[in-house]
Amino acid sequence: GAVVSQHPSWVICKSGTSVKIECRSLDFQATTMFWYRQFPKQSLMLMATSNEGSKATYEQGVEKDKFLINHASLTLSTLTVTSAHPEDSSFYICSAGDRGEQYFGPGTRLTVT
Amino acid sequence: GESVGLHLPTLSVQEGDNSIINCAYSNSASDYFIWYKQESGKGPQFIIDIRSNMDKRQGQRVTVLLNKTVKHLSLQIAATQPGDSAVYFCAENMNFNKFYFGSGTKLNVKP
Repeated sequence: GAVVSQHPSWVICKSGTSVKIECRSLDFQATTMFWYRQFPKQSLMLMATSNEGSKATYEQGVEKDKFLINHASLTLSTLTVTSAHPEDSSFYICSAGDRGEQYFGPGTRLTVT
Repeated sequence: GESVGLHLPTLSVQEGDNSIINCAYSNSASDYFIWYKQESGKGPQFIIDIRSNMDKRQGQRVTVLLNKTVKHLSLQIAATQPGDSAVYFCAENMNFNKFYFGSGTKLNVKP
């Protein structure tokens, strides 16, 4: 099946700094990708839809200026957590669709100290 | 987003028994559902899907049942194995492949 990768797999950053997470579709092109956040022992929460060549659309309650999304090519979407705070510590997961199925990346664990 | 919830947060079964995980969804207009398995520290893994024009779909050792009348999904795992231990989520496709996930059920398989 199709493969979605994420980089890095884990990252530790200090409060106030920004961190970028990459999501790549390795063997297919994706005009749309999705970003989710998952807190420990909780479900995945959809944050935003990343659209290639246009602005991302954010779910209600998600700050677009804090979670910057760039979908510059058909195989890459990036999520930048700006001015990170400890409460942003979470597991961030992306997904991309191919031929009617949705494939998820392995996730990025972000810890903000 | 719409609400997709699960009845049982934790399910313990004996190895070799069958498992049934349930899920309720709230949007009667949803037309596509997926069950995912998530192991600790990993992303969700596709198990099986079903579209709203079907009531039942079978895979290898897994069966998904959809009851649109009561907006209920279930995942049946036959002959549960230790490797099946994970958290299982149902996800509801609202539109354009946006999925909203239920709260998850942790499956513990006892040897």
